[in-house]
Amino acid sequence: GQSLEQPSEVTAVEGAIVQINCTYQTSGFYGLSWYQQHDGGAPTFLSYNALDGLEETGRFSSFLSRSDSYGYLLLQELQMKDSASYFCADQAAGNKLTFGGGTRVLVKP
Amino acid sequence: EAQVTQNPRYLITVTGKKLTVTCSQNMNHEYMSWYRQDPGLGLRQIYYSMNVEATDKGDVPEGYKVSRKEKRNFPLILESPSPNQTSLYFCASSFHPLQGVHEQYFGPGTRLTVT
Repeated sequence: GQSLEQPSEVTAVEGAIVQINCTYQTSGFYGLSWYQQHDGGAPTFLSYNALDGLEETGRFSSFLSRSDSYGYLLLQELQMKDSASYFCADQAAGNKLTFGGGTRVLVKP
Repeated sequence: EAQVTQNPRYLITVTGKKLTVTCSQNMNHEYMSWYRQDPGLGLRQIYYSMNVEATDKGDVPEGYKVSRKEKRNFPLILESPSPNQTSLYFCASSFHPLQGVHEQYFGPGTRLTVT
């Protein structure tokens, strides 16, 4: 089976750095994706890690450690528009996609 | 414009009345999928399709049917809706995961209420 755990909520101030952790238990693990969803909107893709290490895309970075079954999304130089829910998701060998429960990030001025 | 469209966006119906939510994509994607989103439970995959005439169950398929007769369309069918199927539904598409592209494009969502 597949399951992903991530914190339910994180609060930070503008300009700060936030790390959202995701631990997974997946048979046939392929890689870890991250999605952002604003209230009332659809999820949008942020990043994908298939190999160990850090992937950087602008202010957002994503990390994966396959040996630890763990990944994280790093949000730097937080802006008000980053207030949203963030989901990790894994794609197993059968091409099923499983999402974590989501982390709500609240950015305060 | 590359997009995934869903219709209807909002639907209120009664228990037992069959309904279909349509999903269409214009990006020539092989992979299409349906999710439901409920508070505190994240997104849960209902069904997915790797290509035309190839569908498979996700984590919560009970009470739903799908079909993939054309590459661009992937309708979700509720033969006999029940109140526990009240939820926000998303359709998504992507290129085949084995091509190494994993970005899923989501439709705008369909909010379904079953009374």
